[in-house]
Amino acid sequence: EVQLLESGGGLVQPGGSLRLSCAASGFTFSSYAMTWVRQAPGKGLDWVSSISGTGSSSYYADSVKGRFTISRDNSKNTLYLQMNGLRAEDTALYYCARDRPTVTTPLSWGQGTMVTVSS
Amino acid sequence: QTVVTQESSFSVSPGGTVTLTCGLTSGSVSTTYYPGWYQQTPGQAPRTLIYSTNTRSSGVPDRFSGSILGNKAALTITGAQADDESDYYCVLYMGSGILVFGGGTKLTVL
Repeated sequence: EVQLLESGGGLVQPGGSLRLSCAASGFTFSSYAMTWVRQAPGKGLDWVSSISGTGSSSYYADSVKGRFTISRDNSKNTLYLQMNGLRAEDTALYYCARDRPTVTTPLSWGQGTMVTVSS
Repeated sequence: QTVVTQESSFSVSPGGTVTLTCGLTSGSVSTTYYPGWYQQTPGQAPRTLIYSTNTRSSGVPDRFSGSILGNKAALTITGAQADDESDYYCVLYMGSGILVFGGGTKLTVL
């Protein structure tokens, strides 16, 4: 059974940084692309970033490009999202999702970790 | 910038059939966009229903089906049940690793 467990969320001031982690189990982690999706309170789903199975390719929404960095450690079955220069509009529940072998469609979802950006 | 469009809300009677759609502000949706569909109830993570246009995710009942209708992707729910009352989101693959979600449809069963 695919399991994804996000951690690292919390309250941070505008301009601050956070690093989210997603521990994966139940599948061959390196064989699948992985994706971060966020959901602001009361709003819809918003794609943030994806990364290939090997980690050699990464992709970002324009809203986070240059501020967020996605990475993975296949030896630890863990996905990361380094978030710098946080803004109030980054406040959201951040979901980790397993995609297909290549980035096309998030299929399996974690329960999310909440990030709140406020002074 | 291309936006993915969905109906903001829809209602269906119990036992009825409803088709939700997912379009583009510019252009037509085709299978090359790998349309996906998700169901989300309040306080819960999204649940994947359909991927690659019409492939049901594991454990999803065959009451849910995906297709291309005209220039849009479509999710059809037949024999609607009370617990189908949820938010439904579509996602399209725009190429070059980019995904775009629609704004979601709030489905009411009454």
